[in-house]
Amino acid sequence: DAMVIQNPRYQVTQFGKPVTLSCSQTLNHNVMYWYQQKSSQAPKLLFHYYDKDFNNEADTPDNFQSRRPNTSFCFLDIRSPGLGDAAMYLCATSRGFSYEQYFGPGTRLTVT
Amino acid sequence: GQQLNQSPQSMFIQEGEDVSMNCTSSSIFNTWLWYKQDPGEGPVLLIALYKAGELTSNGRLTAQFGITRKDSFLNISASIPSDVGIYFCAGHGYGGSQGNLIFGKGTKLSVKP
Repeated sequence: DAMVIQNPRYQVTQFGKPVTLSCSQTLNHNVMYWYQQKSSQAPKLLFHYYDKDFNNEADTPDNFQSRRPNTSFCFLDIRSPGLGDAAMYLCATSRGFSYEQYFGPGTRLTVT
Repeated sequence: GQQLNQSPQSMFIQEGEDVSMNCTSSSIFNTWLWYKQDPGEGPVLLIALYKAGELTSNGRLTAQFGITRKDSFLNISASIPSDVGIYFCAGHGYGGSQGNLIFGKGTKLSVKP
């Protein structure tokens, strides 16, 4: 089945220790998104790639970076995680901007 | 910025009852999407709506794109325990940053067997 895959599902990192989360898709969608979701809140968009074009949301901290080496993969790098970065990180894809988005299962990040 | 008002915030119902939740906005949306999220999982797309007035069903779920383009509702008929979760409405408005899907705050559904 075509899908969005996130690895790992659970990640524990230490305060200030860089961490990378990964996402892959078999949908061949043009757009890939990274969202942050905190408990009992809606997902919050961090950034997205349309093909190789990167767009950062205005309020996304500089601590968060992303890479998309090819159509299928996208990575979220958190350079120096703080306690406030503990959250569920969701990857999503869509054919284009005005189409429905399909989410992966998420990576739960814990910062100790 | 554009916002979606989703109600109710939470619902406690008996198994077998019908459920209705809705989202409204002060501005026009050109897409309405309904998602369900289980604890510890990503949101799963239930229904996507693209045309004003569109009424779409997916099993026991029915959703409509309001004729004014400013609202949408989701109905669940004959609820079962596995309907438990958080339901989010989401949409693409006009004039927002590209790719930015606006989310409602969610409706938490609890079903008593």
